[in-house]
Amino acid sequence: GENVEQHPSTLSVQEGDSAVIKCTYSDSASNYFPWYKQELGKRPQLIIDIRSNVGEKKDQRIAVTLNKTAKHFSLHITETQPEDSAVYFCAATYTGTASKLTFGTGTRLQVTL
Amino acid sequence: SQTIHQWPATLVQPVGSPLSLECTVEGTSNPNLYWYRQAAGRGLQLLFYSVGIGQISSEVPQNLSASRPQDRQFILSSKKLLLSDSGFYLCAWERGQETQYFGPGTRLLVL
Repeated sequence: GENVEQHPSTLSVQEGDSAVIKCTYSDSASNYFPWYKQELGKRPQLIIDIRSNVGEKKDQRIAVTLNKTAKHFSLHITETQPEDSAVYFCAATYTGTASKLTFGTGTRLQVTL
Repeated sequence: SQTIHQWPATLVQPVGSPLSLECTVEGTSNPNLYWYRQAAGRGLQLLFYSVGIGQISSEVPQNLSASRPQDRQFILSSKKLLLSDSGFYLCAWERGQETQYFGPGTRLLVL
């Protein structure tokens, strides 16, 4: 089955700096890679996703890059703000009849003033 | 628009007691439904998924079971809870678009 590794487990940045979170996956058949943000005690919320036919996707301050050859994908957050503080999860799946997401272990991002 | 509900929001149960958690989705038909568990400070683990009424696939062997009696209803059950069943249980839905949307979750504490 799929295995997803995520690094770092914690990340502290100053407001305005950039943050990068990296994930690797094991199953070359995986073709869909979402990123979720989870605030304390809340449900995970999708922030961005990327499919295997695309190398990069951007949405305002958030971007995701995918390297299929190396089987890794990364989340980039620019101009970080205190409200970006949360736990971020990457995930991977092969989209068939159902999308069985395999999640990384999460990165706790702390944006300090 | 689509909405997903879970109840109860929180639950404290003794070891050995039964469990029933419910998830319902509004505003869509024939969704794929998923149950995940998140242990404290950990990632999400897929427990069960369903692609239709009465169709359940289990991802992890355990003392939990799932059922889908109606198109937009997904139930997670146990006959006898273990301490290790404590966690944050999340239901999610998607409809052929890959993106999964999570419900508000049920926080379960087994004592």
